[in-house]
Amino acid sequence: QVQLKESGPGLVQPSQTLSLTCTVSGFSLTSYHVHWVRQPPGKGLEWMGVMWSDGDTSYNSALKSRLSISRDTSKSQVFLKMSSLQTEDTATYYCAREAEIVMPTYFDYWGQGVMVTVSS
Amino acid sequence: DIRMTQSPASLSASLGETVNIECLASEDIYSDLAWYQQKPGKSPQLLIYNANSLQNGVPSRFSGSGSGTQYSLKINSLQSEDVATYFCQQYNNYPLTFGSGTKLEIK
Repeated sequence: QVQLKESGPGLVQPSQTLSLTCTVSGFSLTSYHVHWVRQPPGKGLEWMGVMWSDGDTSYNSALKSRLSISRDTSKSQVFLKMSSLQTEDTATYYCAREAEIVMPTYFDYWGQGVMVTVSS
Repeated sequence: DIRMTQSPASLSASLGETVNIECLASEDIYSDLAWYQQKPGKSPQLLIYNANSLQNGVPSRFSGSGSGTQYSLKINSLQSEDVATYFCQQYNNYPLTFGSGTKLEIK
């Protein structure tokens, strides 16, 4: 069945770089787009960016200067790197699969999320 | 960016009641709208897509409606397991944006 699972450090120091991995199963990264979405504690959801099925990427302009998304299709993994972390980047980070490949659509599967705290 | 204004922010209702949650888009999103349910400590789960299509496995007491800029989620016969926060999301244009959420509690 379709699964996504995020992994990464729970604690990052301010000004450092966050590195997260989304490992997927039950589908191919070359057939579906995978997005990153974050949620600060007690707050709403923010779309961060996407790894398109063709290997291209798009980013939220608010984060673009700090964000990089890449993948390793042989390992079914999508990676997120975000630099210059600040306390306001404290959040649960989710990867999610987009339901259809042809046009912008909704997320039909989400990972469990990984909580990242930015603190010294 | 398309702004999604969701209301109310919180809602308390009795078991068996019907509740409505609204989402207003800052421009026409042509029914490119999804609703998600997020239970405490869990990831969001898809309930409704294309404004009114029920995701497989979601109880039929959930329904969506709307067009243009105005959309709503209706929950009939409220159950205890419906306690959650509900989010709308537009996918008509990038960046994808979400409503701020509606926290639903049982009275």
